[in-house]
Amino acid sequence: DAGVIQSPRHEVTEMGQEVTLRCKPISGHNSLFWYRQTMMRGLELLIYFNNNVPIDDSGMPEDRFSAKMPNASFSTLKIQPSEPRDSAVYFCASRPGGRGLGYTFGSGTRLTVV
Amino acid sequence: KNQVEQSPQSLIILEGKNCTLQCNYTVSPFSNLRWYKQDTGRGPVSLTIMTFSENTKSNGRYTATLDADTKQSSLHITASQLSDSASYICVVRGRNTDKLIFGTGTRLQVFP
Repeated sequence: DAGVIQSPRHEVTEMGQEVTLRCKPISGHNSLFWYRQTMMRGLELLIYFNNNVPIDDSGMPEDRFSAKMPNASFSTLKIQPSEPRDSAVYFCASRPGGRGLGYTFGSGTRLTVV
Repeated sequence: KNQVEQSPQSLIILEGKNCTLQCNYTVSPFSNLRWYKQDTGRGPVSLTIMTFSENTKSNGRYTATLDADTKQSSLHITASQLSDSASYICVVRGRNTDKLIFGTGTRLQVFP
């Protein structure tokens, strides 16, 4: 099993540009989570999906952020337009059905908006 | 507000020594507590998961303790190795929710 796969690993973009982050969860995992990590705030949940359906997007900071999960094997997190304060590491994690089960994180996408 | 606080923020120890990291939480009602290890440039990796009924859980040289009454947990690392250098994050999940509450982590550096 290749684990949770995120792409790209690093992204540098100019302010105002659209950024799309991608995630492939572990096959068979029913839940997918998008997190953002910064030095100041640590890991924060942005949005999560159960069976491809968005359940809670209250962590999405602004309307500039959107996430989709068109099928069980793929999810995207889009920022449009991007701003320098969006610079962070974005992690995707997936989990099998039960809440008591372990989460598997991807290696993250380091986003720098200049 | 639900919070998870960790101490110390950073720690330096010599290879072979033991250390203990602390986690206090206010999440209520409580379901489980997890310790994650995050290497630089990588995603967090789970070390232990404990429910409110568990007091101790070990994973190799890592031993986690939980006191659900005082809402405290610790992670003890025995005979530290250079590869233990990482951030250790305490994570709490409340009952009937999928949301995890993350601490800001303890940055551990092990020197030879």
